[in-house]
Amino acid sequence: QVQLQESGPGLVKPSETLSLTCTVSGGSISGYHLNWIRQSPGQGLEWIGHIYYSGATSYNPSLKSRVTISVDTSKNQFSLRLASVTPADTAVYYCARASIWNDLLLDCWGQGTLVTVSP
Amino acid sequence: DIVMTQSPDSLAVSLGERATINCKSSRSVLYSSNNKNYLGWYQQKPGQPPKLLIYWASTRESGVPDRFSGSGSGTDFTLTISSLQAEDVAVYYCQQYYSTLPTFGPGTKVDIK
Repeated sequence: QVQLQESGPGLVKPSETLSLTCTVSGGSISGYHLNWIRQSPGQGLEWIGHIYYSGATSYNPSLKSRVTISVDTSKNQFSLRLASVTPADTAVYYCARASIWNDLLLDCWGQGTLVTVSP
Repeated sequence: DIVMTQSPDSLAVSLGERATINCKSSRSVLYSSNNKNYLGWYQQKPGQPPKLLIYWASTRESGVPDRFSGSGSGTDFTLTISSLQAEDVAVYYCQQYYSTLPTFGPGTKVDIK
């Protein structure tokens, strides 16, 4: 059974870069789109972007200037970097694998990690 | 962007009774070339990530109990829990995956009356 697990700092200072990694176990990431989503009380669920295992990316236009998603197939991992964070970026960040039916339909999620942006 | 709205914001239903959640999209999510509605439903329990319940508006994900059903087309969709169980207490979200920017509804909280 495929499992995803987010890891990274839980506290980031304003103007710095948020960095998270998602490790996929129990199955290969090959052939799948790998997504990042965040959830905050004010914004609900917000799709950040995704990467195909081969490296092609697509980002939410509202975040595109600050977001980079990368993949490391040798480690079965993918990563998120969000630059120039502000308190509005405080949220639970989830990684998720897309379904075989559609690359934006999310059928396997990590448990999520809370990232707080604060001095 | 396609904006998703849901109603009601919350509802309380007696055990064994029906719960109905509505979702509306600001534009049709029906793709005419394959006649599929690009609409999914997720369940999120406290402290857990969302779980995919239904896709293509009415197809249950493997392992999802058949008391969960989805219906609708175009811009108006419904998630029905035919006989509410205690373990169904959660927030339910609809999501469109029609456009290149997927968007979610604000959620509907389901509780036991």
